[in-house]
Amino acid sequence: QVQLQESGPGLVKASETLSLTCTVSGGSISSYYWSWIRQSPGKGLEWIGYIYYSGSTKYNPSLKSRVTISVDTSKNQFSLKLSSVTAADTAVYYCARGRGNRPNFDYWGQGTLVTVSS
Amino acid sequence: QSVLTQPPSVSGAPGQRVTISCTGSSSNIGAGYDVHWYQQLPGTAPKLLIYGNNNRPSGVPDRFSGSKSGTSASLAITGLQAEDEADYYCQSYDSSVSAVVFGGGTKLTVL
Repeated sequence: QVQLQESGPGLVKASETLSLTCTVSGGSISSYYWSWIRQSPGKGLEWIGYIYYSGSTKYNPSLKSRVTISVDTSKNQFSLKLSSVTAADTAVYYCARGRGNRPNFDYWGQGTLVTVSS
Repeated sequence: QSVLTQPPSVSGAPGQRVTISCTGSSSNIGAGYDVHWYQQLPGTAPKLLIYGNNNRPSGVPDRFSGSKSGTSASLAITGLQAEDEADYYCQSYDSSVSAVVFGGGTKLTVL
């Protein structure tokens, strides 16, 4: 059974960089598209971007200038960096496995709340 | 403002049938991109409910079904149960923004 687990700081200061890692267990990171998705408190879901195991990426245009997603296949991990954060970036961040390059998401992490403080 | 439009809330009594609509445009659902549906129980991560417009992952009851027509899609839930009370999201791909897009979500209340 594939499992995903997000890890990283729960509190980030405004203007700094948010960094999260997703560790994949129970399956290989190969041959899938790995996404970051966030949900602001009481709001809906927002796709941040994905990375293919080979390293190719696609980002949400609304966040593209601030986002970097990377993969470490040797550790079965992929990571998110979001720069110049503001209070609007406070959200629960989920990592998820996507099928295809216009993916649906069949496995999700439990999510991690990241709060941006001033 | 979400690219895909869902009603904010729907409700139904136990045993009834409810539907949740997801309205898009010619750059997403109308362009032929698949629609997927997720169920999010309170305090938990979303769960894939329907993929590829009308396919259920293993373990999802056949009370849940999806359909798509033109620029819209629908999720139907029959034999409503108390445990179905959750938020439901549709998702697709949009070629005009070149991104994965979600609907704003619909809160289902079982009366």
